[in-house]
Amino acid sequence: NAGVTQTPKFRILKIGQSMTLQCTQDMNHNYMYWYRQDPGMGLKLIYYSVGAGITDKGEVPNGYNVSRSTTEDFPLRLELAAPSQTSVYFCASSYSRDRGREQYFGPGTRLTVT
Amino acid sequence: KNQVEQSPQSLIILEGKNCTLQCNYTVSPFSNLRWYKQDTGRGPVSLTIMTFSENTKSNGRYTATLDADTKQSSLHITASQLSDSASYICVVSQEGGTASKLTFGTGTRLQVTL
Repeated sequence: NAGVTQTPKFRILKIGQSMTLQCTQDMNHNYMYWYRQDPGMGLKLIYYSVGAGITDKGEVPNGYNVSRSTTEDFPLRLELAAPSQTSVYFCASSYSRDRGREQYFGPGTRLTVT
Repeated sequence: KNQVEQSPQSLIILEGKNCTLQCNYTVSPFSNLRWYKQDTGRGPVSLTIMTFSENTKSNGRYTATLDADTKQSSLHITASQLSDSASYICVVSQEGGTASKLTFGTGTRLQVTL
């Protein structure tokens, strides 16, 4: 199993550009999540999904959109990139009810908006 | 407001020495507490989970403790190795919560040197 994979690893965007961060998991997990990690801060939840076709906002959803058309994929869309979105983005997945819902994280995407 | 505070913020120790990392939380109602290890440039990986009834749990050289009365947890690393250099993140889950009910600490950055 590859686990949770994310692409790209790094990206530099200009203000106002758009992009999609890709996330795929091969563990047949129902739950998937997007987090951002800023320097010196704890991970903040952007969006999450409890299954294909179901998504919900987390703590910091503004400026982002998601979709979940399959169990495996959970892309994160930035429509109008802003410098405040410079961060490291982590995708994660988990079983719906297992061991307190341990989350399996991808390697992250480091995004810089200039 | 749910909060998770970790101390120290950073720590440098010599290889072979022991260390203890602290986590204080105000999350209520409490469900469980996880310690994650995050290597530089990687996503977090779960080390151990503590539920309300558990006081101590070990995973190799890592031993976690939980005092649910004082809402404190610690992670003790024995005979540290260079590979222990990483950030250690405390994550508390809320009882009955949805996927969004996790609170992340900001982490303790540990550096093990020769």
